[in-house]
Amino acid sequence: AQTVTQSQPEMSVQEAETVTLSCTYDTSENNYYLFWYKQPPSRQMILVIRQEAYKQQNATENRFSVNFQKAAKSFSLKISDSQLGDTAMYFCAFMNHGSSNTGKLIFGQGTTLQVKP
Amino acid sequence: DTAVSQTPKYLVTQMGNDKSIKCEQNLGHDTMYWYKQDSKKFLKIMFSYNNKELIINETVPNRFSPKSPDKAHLNLHINSLELGDSAVYFCASSQGLQGQFFGPGTRLTVL
Repeated sequence: AQTVTQSQPEMSVQEAETVTLSCTYDTSENNYYLFWYKQPPSRQMILVIRQEAYKQQNATENRFSVNFQKAAKSFSLKISDSQLGDTAMYFCAFMNHGSSNTGKLIFGQGTTLQVKP
Repeated sequence: DTAVSQTPKYLVTQMGNDKSIKCEQNLGHDTMYWYKQDSKKFLKIMFSYNNKELIINETVPNRFSPKSPDKAHLNLHINSLELGDSAVYFCASSQGLQGQFFGPGTRLTVL
């Protein structure tokens, strides 16, 4: 069974600085997708970034980028030029793309990020 | 225009009652999901429907019954509510493997 682990329950960063959130996962599958979701205090779950396992190039979305290390089963999120609006809980998620794909997301425990002015 | 909407956003009820949460998506997606977020913020899949057909049922008690009248709607009915059912319930939808879009969540409190 697949598992996703976020080992940092809480992190903080100064506004305009860069922060990296860690995520590791365990799977025997070769084809899968990885995601980062953001959950601000409003409770809404927002898709931040998506990575396909077969792509070696790391995904980037504006100030958000990932460091995907497939062999190490690591998928970290880097937030550059942190803004107060980035304060939220961040979830790493795994989705299988193999023959047993049902589209379900398996989530990590979440990391609460506080951006300080 | 809200892509994935849920009603109600808050639900407070007594133990033993039956309640429903409604979900609608206007994205034209084929697949819809229900997730439960517990008090420790852990998110877990409950159900998934693809074109009105159940494809995931993650060992959820049979007091929980999803119903999909059409591919734009996936409602969740809960019978005989228990204290442990208190949580935030999220509806989501997806098309293919692009990632899921979530509704605003329904906070259920069972007293």
